[in-house]
Amino acid sequence: SQLAEENLWALSVHEGESVTVNCSYKTSITALQWYRQKSGEGPAQLILIRSNEREKRNGRLRATLDTSSQSSSLSITATRCEDTAVYFCATARTGGYKVVFGSGTRLLVSP
Amino acid sequence: NAGVIQTPRHKVTGKGQEATLWCEPISGHSAVFWYRQTIVQGLEFLTYFRNQAPIDDSGMPKERFSAQMPNQSHSTLKIQSTQPQDSAVYLCASSSPGGGNTLYFGEGSRLIVV
Repeated sequence: SQLAEENLWALSVHEGESVTVNCSYKTSITALQWYRQKSGEGPAQLILIRSNEREKRNGRLRATLDTSSQSSSLSITATRCEDTAVYFCATARTGGYKVVFGSGTRLLVSP
Repeated sequence: NAGVIQTPRHKVTGKGQEATLWCEPISGHSAVFWYRQTIVQGLEFLTYFRNQAPIDDSGMPKERFSAQMPNQSHSTLKIQSTQPQDSAVYLCASSSPGGGNTLYFGEGSRLIVV
């Protein structure tokens, strides 16, 4: 079973719109990570949000974490075509090293 | 700094043949991970080394898969007697001590078994 899982398989938006990807997780964590994987590349971390943080920003990206509901979201504002990718949430159990990935949300940003 | 380097990027092998994949982690990173990615199973953890020592191989199919890290600058993943179901992208990642579990991935090695 997955430690973390995104809620949607795929999303499609037009350039300039905002979009949110949601994730739920099942265990006690010290941090949750969001990764992006573009076609032909390995995943790259976008944001790491620790369990004592409620929100974290990185440019057009904003991640939230709600430890009471064990959920997280990643919002992208003013989307661009180059944001087209698969977005994963990932986490490890508290004190653990094994990072487990959700199955990903495929985001398509069209002109 | 160079990122994680994986070779080959693509490999086609016949059923029953052996395939070896190489990974060069980021210099100074003490942890190396191997993952397998398929459409059906997603990103699956295979194995983990810390300071070159094998720590966890719980994700490795037991009989035909093996991984080694002979020195701090490279790790190998070997698949013997390859089967069509081994076709996948194999991803190597490294992380630094105190890096908060942040993984830095290579571009992956796409293995196709025909």
